[in-house]
Amino acid sequence: KAGVTQTPRYLIKTRGQQVTLSCSPISGHRSVSWYQQTPGQGLQFLFEYFSETQRNKGNFPGRFSGRQFSNSRSEMNVSTLELGDSALYLCASSLGPTNTEAFFGQGTRLTVV
Amino acid sequence: SQQGEEDPQALSIQEGENATMNCSYKTSINNLQWYRQNSGRGLVHLILIRSNEREKHSGRLRVTLDTSKKSSSLLITASRAADTASYFCATVNYGGATNKLIFGTGTLLAVQP
Repeated sequence: KAGVTQTPRYLIKTRGQQVTLSCSPISGHRSVSWYQQTPGQGLQFLFEYFSETQRNKGNFPGRFSGRQFSNSRSEMNVSTLELGDSALYLCASSLGPTNTEAFFGQGTRLTVV
Repeated sequence: SQQGEEDPQALSIQEGENATMNCSYKTSINNLQWYRQNSGRGLVHLILIRSNEREKHSGRLRVTLDTSKKSSSLLITASRAADTASYFCATVNYGGATNKLIFGTGTLLAVQP
C-alpha cells in the first residue's frame, strides 16, 4: 500500500508570492492533517480535514488555507508569503475520524527568499 | 502554549545501551503517540498508547503512560546506530472527534557505534 505522498518535495518562493502544497493520503484514509515544522516553534498544527470538512484549525493567520477533495486528497495554500513561512510542511493521514494512528508524508520543504 | 515537553532535549549513548525519553503533557488525552524523525524528513509512527492503557511493547520499544502524572516514557532497548534520530511524543486531546496531534519538543538521540 502506498504511503502518504506530498508534492512538491522542495520549493523556493519569493516574498509576496503564493504557494499550493498537495497531499495524497494512504488509500482508504479519510482524515488529513497538516503541520508546520520550524527550528524555533517545533511542530505546529495547521488544519485537520475529514470527509471534505475542516474540523480543526490551528493558530495561524488567514493567509494559510486548505481544502480536502472528495477523493480525500488535500491541498494547503499560503498567500502573500513571508520569510517566516519558510518551514517543513508535513501532511498526515489517518483511517478513522478519531483516536487512530497518523501516518506522515516526507514533507514539503518551503524556502521563502 | 499547548505543546508538551520532552526530557532530555538531547541524549548520547553507546550502541547496545538502552535509551529512555520522557514526555509530559498538559491536558486529558485520548491517546499518546511516539514518532521518529531522521534529519528533518517525515515522521515515522512508532507506537500508539490509549489513555486506558499503562504499558505497550513493540519490538525493542516499550512505552509507558501515567495519566495521573500526565507523562509518558519511551524506552529503546539494545540501541543501534540506526536509531539515531529525533523522537517526538504527540497527544490527541480528550473530547470531540479529532486526530489533531499536539507535539512535544522532541529528544535528539545520538547512538555512537
